[in-house]
Amino acid sequence: AQTVTQSQPEMSVQEAETVTLSCTYDTSESDYYLFWYKQPPSRQMILVIRQEAYKQQNATENRFSVNFQKAAKSFSLKISDSQLGDAAMYFCAYRGYGQNFVFGPGTRLSVLP
Amino acid sequence: GAVVSQHPSRVICKSGTSVKIECRSLDFQATTMFWYRQFPKQSLMLMATSNEGSKATYEQGVEKDKFLINHASLTLSTLTVTSAHPEDSSFYICSAREGTGQYNEQFFGPGTRLTVL
Repeated sequence: AQTVTQSQPEMSVQEAETVTLSCTYDTSESDYYLFWYKQPPSRQMILVIRQEAYKQQNATENRFSVNFQKAAKSFSLKISDSQLGDAAMYFCAYRGYGQNFVFGPGTRLSVLP
Repeated sequence: GAVVSQHPSRVICKSGTSVKIECRSLDFQATTMFWYRQFPKQSLMLMATSNEGSKATYEQGVEKDKFLINHASLTLSTLTVTSAHPEDSSFYICSAREGTGQYNEQFFGPGTRLTVL
């Protein structure tokens, strides 16, 4: 079975600085998708970024980018120019083709003014 | 992106009563709907998957007689917590997926906070 690990239960970053959240996963499949979701205090799950495993190019969405290392099964999220509104729980997730999500335990990010 | 709504957003009930939570896909037809449970400071745990018109598939350890799921239409799924007890208090999130292809976007509802007294 697939597993997703986030080794940082909590992280903090100064406003306008850059922070990287770590995620590793385990799978025997070669094709799959990886995601980062943000869950603010409202508890609404918000998709931050998605990466298809067959694509070597790292996905980017404005201030958010990933470092996808397929061989190492690593999928870290970099948030640049951090803003107060970035404070939230961040969940890394794996999804195989036609399969359900497997979520990591989450990392709580605090942004310091 | 597509919108998934849940109703109610919060519910408080007495122990032993049943509670129904609705999940609707507002602008797309949800072939598959998912129900998750999230305890404080924890991740989302999948409870069950339902396809329209079919019986739900429950994850191991989830009591199907306690958590009744109905996916009667392509835009509506309901979760009924029967004979609720304080340990059922949690945050319940539904999610909906359109289509059954290799990859289909999955959208999350805003969640329902259930408190059982």
